[in-house]
Amino acid sequence: AQTVTQSQPEMSVQEAETVTLSCTYDTSESDYYLFWYKQPPSRQMILVIRQEAYKQQNATENRFSVNFQKAAKSFSLKISDSQLGDAAMYFCAYDVANKLIFGTGTLLAVQP
Amino acid sequence: DAGITQSPRHKVTETGTPVTLRCHQTENHRYMYWYRQDPGHGLRLIHYSYGVKDTDKGEVSDGYSVSRSKTEDFLLTLESATSSQTSVYFCAISETLGGYNEQFFGPGTRLTVL
Repeated sequence: AQTVTQSQPEMSVQEAETVTLSCTYDTSESDYYLFWYKQPPSRQMILVIRQEAYKQQNATENRFSVNFQKAAKSFSLKISDSQLGDAAMYFCAYDVANKLIFGTGTLLAVQP
Repeated sequence: DAGITQSPRHKVTETGTPVTLRCHQTENHRYMYWYRQDPGHGLRLIHYSYGVKDTDKGEVSDGYSVSRSKTEDFLLTLESATSSQTSVYFCAISETLGGYNEQFFGPGTRLTVL
């Protein structure tokens, strides 16, 4: 069975600093997609970044980038130059047959 | 904005009563989903639909049923609500973008079962 694990329930970062959120997953598939979603206090789920497993190059979206290690089944999210608006719950997710399996989330606090 | 609305947005009900949550989309997407979100569990799939009258169970389907008689509406029913079904419920649609499927979420419904 596919599983997604986020081992950091809470993280904190100073404004303008860099933080990395961890995610590991388990799958027997060779081709799949991985996602990071952000959920601010408004509860809206917002896609931050996606990674295709067959692409070795790590995905980047502005201040957000991933470190994708396929052999290790690791998919961490790096947020650079953290801003107050980055404070939110972050979920890692794995796409299997057009269905998402989510991790339990990491609550990120940004200190001014 | 994927044009997804959920109703009601908040509901308080009593144990044993039936509850129906509605998800409405305006862009004719084939796939629709219902998730529940609970502290310590992230989002978990309840049921999903891959077309009108075509539905299947997700990870946590016990106590829930769904119906999809029209492309735009996906209904989630709790036949006899229990306190363990107190949760935030999210509807989602799947859209194919550049060769991959991206899910877009509705605003959520907070359900409290007393």
